[in-house]
Amino acid sequence: KQEVTQIPAALSVPEGENLVLNCSFTDSAIYNLQWFRQDPGKGLTSLLLIQSSQREQTSGRLNASLDKSSGRSTLYIAASQPGDSATYLCAAPRRGGGADGLTFGKGTHLIIQP
Amino acid sequence: DAMVIQNPRYQVTQFGKPVTLSCSQTLNHNVMYWYQQKSSQAPKLLFHYYDKDFNNEADTPDNFQSRRPNTSFCFLDIRSPGLGDAAMYLCATTRSGSNYNEQFFGPGTRLTVL
Repeated sequence: KQEVTQIPAALSVPEGENLVLNCSFTDSAIYNLQWFRQDPGKGLTSLLLIQSSQREQTSGRLNASLDKSSGRSTLYIAASQPGDSATYLCAAPRRGGGADGLTFGKGTHLIIQP
Repeated sequence: DAMVIQNPRYQVTQFGKPVTLSCSQTLNHNVMYWYQQKSSQAPKLLFHYYDKDFNNEADTPDNFQSRRPNTSFCFLDIRSPGLGDAAMYLCATTRSGSNYNEQFFGPGTRLTVL
């Protein structure tokens, strides 16, 4: 059974700092891993999907890495802005390819102080 | 734009009064999911349709049912809502076998039970 853990649960940093969010998963036989953003009371916005054949994926100021052997993924946010304040969720496939659904971590609640 | 649409965005119901939540998609994806997210918790998979095949999670209460009349639409029926069913309900889709099953989420329906 896939289990996903995210550390830290909450993070508050001044604007402009670079930061790293951590995600670990127990079943490394996955084809991909997704990072999502969730604003208060809203749905999920997909940020990045890393395929198992990739080690990194970048979108703008966001960079996600995946290390299947250690069961870890990180989301790096460069030059943080107040608009980055949200909850960031990591999700791994419950089984293999992911068509059976995702297992989510509880998220990291991020606050960027102006 | 291709997307996942959920209606209504906010639903208020009374204890024990049946309620139906709707999800539609213009992505022509063959897999559709329903997740439940309670306050400050990770989204949890309730069930999913792989094409026409219904896949229920073992711990999904019998109170929750789903219908998929065609590829585009999927419904979540809660037969007798209890106070503990108050949550955000998230619909997601994917095309199996493509881009490693990236999942696309709708904006969610927030259910309040009085």
